[in-house]
Amino acid sequence: GDSVTQMEGPVTLSEEAFLTINCTYTATGYPSLFWYVQYPGEGLQLLLKATKADDKGSNKGFEATYRKETTSFHLEKGSVQVSDSAVYFCALSGAGAGGTSYGKLTFGQGTILTVHP
Amino acid sequence: DGGITQSPKYLFRKEGQNVTLSCEQNLNHDAMYWYRQDPGQGLRLIYYSQIVNDFQKGDIAEGYSVSREKKESFPLTVTSAQKNPTAFYLCASSIDGQRWSSNQPQHFGDGTRLSIL
Repeated sequence: GDSVTQMEGPVTLSEEAFLTINCTYTATGYPSLFWYVQYPGEGLQLLLKATKADDKGSNKGFEATYRKETTSFHLEKGSVQVSDSAVYFCALSGAGAGGTSYGKLTFGQGTILTVHP
Repeated sequence: DGGITQSPKYLFRKEGQNVTLSCEQNLNHDAMYWYRQDPGQGLRLIYYSQIVNDFQKGDIAEGYSVSREKKESFPLTVTSAQKNPTAFYLCASSIDGQRWSSNQPQHFGDGTRLSIL
């Protein structure tokens, strides 16, 4: 079945440092890939998405590129801020062969990011 | 503003008691979902519904039940058969109709935290 593996956290950085959170996936067909962010005590918010190979999703300075050859979707940000402290989830939405698709999300375990001033 | 409302924010269950978590959306979305989140783990799918009067079991449906009598509402009942109900429960929706679309993101509520007395 589909699965998502994220780098283990927690990740602790100083403000303005470079961020990478690794994400790799296993899926059949042609999945869409997502990064969600969860702030303390809240639900998840969509951060960015990519729907086909070589697509780059970007939002609020975060970027991730859909790499089919390495089955990866790593999240990056050039300069993090204290306000970026949150839990980040990589997820995929399965798409079967033959044009059918399913919409169900499979999540990674989440990576806690803490940014210090 | 359109969105997903979950209530209550905090809920306590006594042994042997059923409790119901509310989820309402005004986004006019066809599909709705319930997830369970445990510390250090990703989200796990409990139940999902593609359309009114239809729902399917997810990966961890045992001890839970749902109904989908109205498009905007998808309540989750945690029954006494669920032996480890303490968790953070998240409801989500997406625009998907009868035909799933894998590139449509899910929108999340702010969650309900359930604890055992």
